[in-house]
Amino acid sequence: QKEVEQDPGPLSVPEGAIVSLNCTYSNSAFQYFMWYRQYSRKGPELLMYTYSSGNKEDGRFTAQVDKSSKYISLFIRDSQPSDSATYLCAMSAGSNYQLIWGAGTKLIIKP
Amino acid sequence: NAGVTQTPKFQVLKTGQSMTLQCAQDMNHEYMSWYRQDPGMGLRLIHYSVGAGITDQGEVPNGYNVSRSTTEDFPLRLLSAAPSQTSVYFCASSHTTSTSHYEQYFGPGTRLTVT
Repeated sequence: QKEVEQDPGPLSVPEGAIVSLNCTYSNSAFQYFMWYRQYSRKGPELLMYTYSSGNKEDGRFTAQVDKSSKYISLFIRDSQPSDSATYLCAMSAGSNYQLIWGAGTKLIIKP
Repeated sequence: NAGVTQTPKFQVLKTGQSMTLQCAQDMNHEYMSWYRQDPGMGLRLIHYSVGAGITDQGEVPNGYNVSRSTTEDFPLRLLSAAPSQTSVYFCASSHTTSTSHYEQYFGPGTRLTVT
């Protein structure tokens, strides 16, 4: 079993919808939780970062971490066609600088 | 700043050939790494380095070598290419502090096909 599980999708939703993307993990040592966005034929870029549990909001994006359930989420409000990309979750225990990655979810926002 | 640069962007190799993928960063990052990305499998770590002269293996190191003689450069060598090494390769770098290690900067990738 992988340390980080993420549904690869694709997830197709109409423009303006609220999108929910999720990852589950098994390693309770993870303290840092990240969401990266990767456009087609580009490298990933950091979208949001959360340390330990709780919520973090940045514009239309909200990241949630539930350490008791080992579950993280990314919500996108008022989704736009420009949000179409692959979203990768990543996690770290912080001890060796390595990130453990989910497989990525391909998101398609239909105009 | 150019960030993280990779060359070449595309490469086709025949089975058994060797080649070096180049990676350079100008952000004075201590940590540099190589990933391969295959459909449905996310990013898998090949090798990484926490500073000049220091390298270590990641999840899938077989068939690849690395060295780090300077802070800026981290080349990846394919010793004898195999079709299973057909993939997209990304180089990434970051600082090595608890407050910044989670932000890795990626290069544009190298698309490698081995026939």
